[in-house]
Amino acid sequence: DTEVTQTPKHLVMGMTNKKSLKCEQHMGHRAMYWYKQKAKKPPELMFVYSYEKLSINESVPSRFSPECPNSSLLNLHLHALQPEDSALYLCASSQSLGTGQPQHFGDGTRLSIL
Amino acid sequence: DAKTTQPPSMDCAEGRAANLPCNHSTISGNEYVYWYRQIHSQGPQYIIHGLKNNETNEMASLIITEDRKSSTLILPHATLRDTAVYYCIVRVESGATNKLIFGTGTLLAVQP
Repeated sequence: DTEVTQTPKHLVMGMTNKKSLKCEQHMGHRAMYWYKQKAKKPPELMFVYSYEKLSINESVPSRFSPECPNSSLLNLHLHALQPEDSALYLCASSQSLGTGQPQHFGDGTRLSIL
Repeated sequence: DAKTTQPPSMDCAEGRAANLPCNHSTISGNEYVYWYRQIHSQGPQYIIHGLKNNETNEMASLIITEDRKSSTLILPHATLRDTAVYYCIVRVESGATNKLIFGTGTLLAVQP
């Protein structure tokens, strides 16, 4: 069982749809992350939030829009995605940046773009 | 972050120790070695990390060579549930960033 909860587990959407991925943790962590993982590849970092502020954007296209409304919740808003955006989207959290605390991952949302 | 090199795959018999190697020859003095694993259809799971000294927890042991250019993750009694991709990552501990850069990892297959 994971302490980072991601919903939905699966999502199928068309290229013109708008949808959101949700991530929640109740461990009191103040850093949260989005990763993208293509099939048979390692996870790649997309965004890092620290104390609800965006700390790192790894040059992610603007069709992906992150939001951190509070310390427990992280959203990823999706709009006008392309078929190549189909992937597993992973959320993670850690106590804070650079404290030596490991990142805890959710089990991801598997996204398919038609 | 330093690059790591791991064998793409390994087999291990159930009940035996699994020793997973990792080379990180360009590691610098303040970079930690982290190990994660990813079981099929799940998110990555933290296993262990260390800087210079060997470390042990309830899941595994981490042996880091004296020159810190390589390390070995040891699962003392592998079970079928340990079949997963194991990632070795070196990362700078810094307040500015907390980036995990995953390599391609080692697919460990535990055989009955």
